[in-house]
Parts: sequence; C-alpha cells; structure tokens
Amino acid sequence: AQSVTQLGSHVSVSEGALVLLRCNYSSSVPPYLFWYVQYPNQGLQLLLKYTSAATLVKGINGFEAEFKKSETSFHLTKPSAHMSDAAEYFCASNAGGTSYGKLTFGQGTILTVHP
Amino acid sequence: NAGVTQTPKFQVLKTGQSMTLQCAQDMNHEYMSWYRQDPGMGLRLIHYSVGAGITDQGEVPNGYNVSRSTTEDFPLRLLSAAPSQTSVYFCASSYVEEGASWNQPQHFGDGTRLSIL
Repeated sequence: AQSVTQLGSHVSVSEGALVLLRCNYSSSVPPYLFWYVQYPNQGLQLLLKYTSAATLVKGINGFEAEFKKSETSFHLTKPSAHMSDAAEYFCASNAGGTSYGKLTFGQGTILTVHP
Repeated sequence: NAGVTQTPKFQVLKTGQSMTLQCAQDMNHEYMSWYRQDPGMGLRLIHYSVGAGITDQGEVPNGYNVSRSTTEDFPLRLLSAAPSQTSVYFCASSYVEEGASWNQPQHFGDGTRLSIL
C-alpha cells in the first residue's frame, strides 16, 4: 500500500525567506505525485504535479518541487515567501491503473508567514 | 462550467439522524471520490467511483453509503450519524484520457462542514 509522509505539521517562515515543505512517499513503483494548497475554509487547489518528463516541476504562485527517486522525496519549495502563501499544503499520490482516483494524502503542513 | 458543486456547505445533525451530502460535477469526469478531512490526518478516502453504476470502498467506508446512477452525481449517505463523523467532507472528480498518463489531477469541491451532536 502507498503512503505519503509530510515532515512537520507546522512550518513558520518570515516574509521573503525560503519555503521548504517536505514530502516522502513509500511505493514499490514510482507514484503519480501532486501538491495541493488549501486556504482557510476553501477546497483544495492544485499547485503542481509530477510528470516523468522532468524531475523539477514548476507550479503556480512561484512554487516548485523536485522529484528524487533515490530519496523517495518530492519536496515543495519557494525561494521567497509571501504573506499570501499562508495556507495548508498537502502532498498526495496515486498509483495509477486500477487505483487511479484513489488519492493518498500526507497529513498536511500548515505554513505560517510572519511579516 | 461550475466544476464540482457540493451541498450543503454546513450542516448540524443529531446523533442517529440520517442525511445525504450532494456532489455534482459538470465536466463529464468518470472518476469521482469522497474524502473526509480531520485535523492532523490529511484527507482520507471514503468511497470512490470509476463510472456510473460502479463504486468501491476507500480507507474509511464504515458508516457511509454511496451510489452512482449518473456520471454527474455522486451522493454520500450517512445512515445513522455518529459524533465520530464530525468532519469536513470533500468530493472530487477526475478523468483519464485514453492512452494518457495517470497524472490528471482531481478537482475538488469547496466542502461540506458537518457537525454531529
């Protein structure tokens, strides 16, 4: 069975600082990986998704993630945090095939941005 | 194009009551799923469907029923509500193009916030 682990339930950064949110996956085959963002009292919005075409994936709002098979990781980064980035972030995966449509989520990381 | 629409947005129930959470999508997506979100636990899959007439259980199916009679609608039924079902419920839909990769993202509704007293 797949699992997704997000290290750190809360991350706090200053405005302008680097944002690093960690995600590790456990899968016998490379999964299909996603990062979603959830603003307060809203649904989930796709930030970016991994495609096999490139290990560095660029998403919306200046975020990017790097797929590292050797480390089974898909960490999310942003060079300079903005106050509007404050939200909860979820890493998710699915195994494709007959398991497509069954996303496995990490526990979520709440990002706080200080002025 | 409204995407995924969930109703109601908020609901308070008493223990033992029943209700149906509605989910509708207008994107002709064949895949639909229900998740519940609880603090510190991320989202967990309750039930999902790969097309009209086909449903299957997810990680936490107990206490919930689903059916899918049309492509557009995927209602979630609580037969006898319990306080442990207090949560935020999200419906999602997705599709796969024939021959394409399995990395199409799921589209989420805005959620139903359910409290059971």
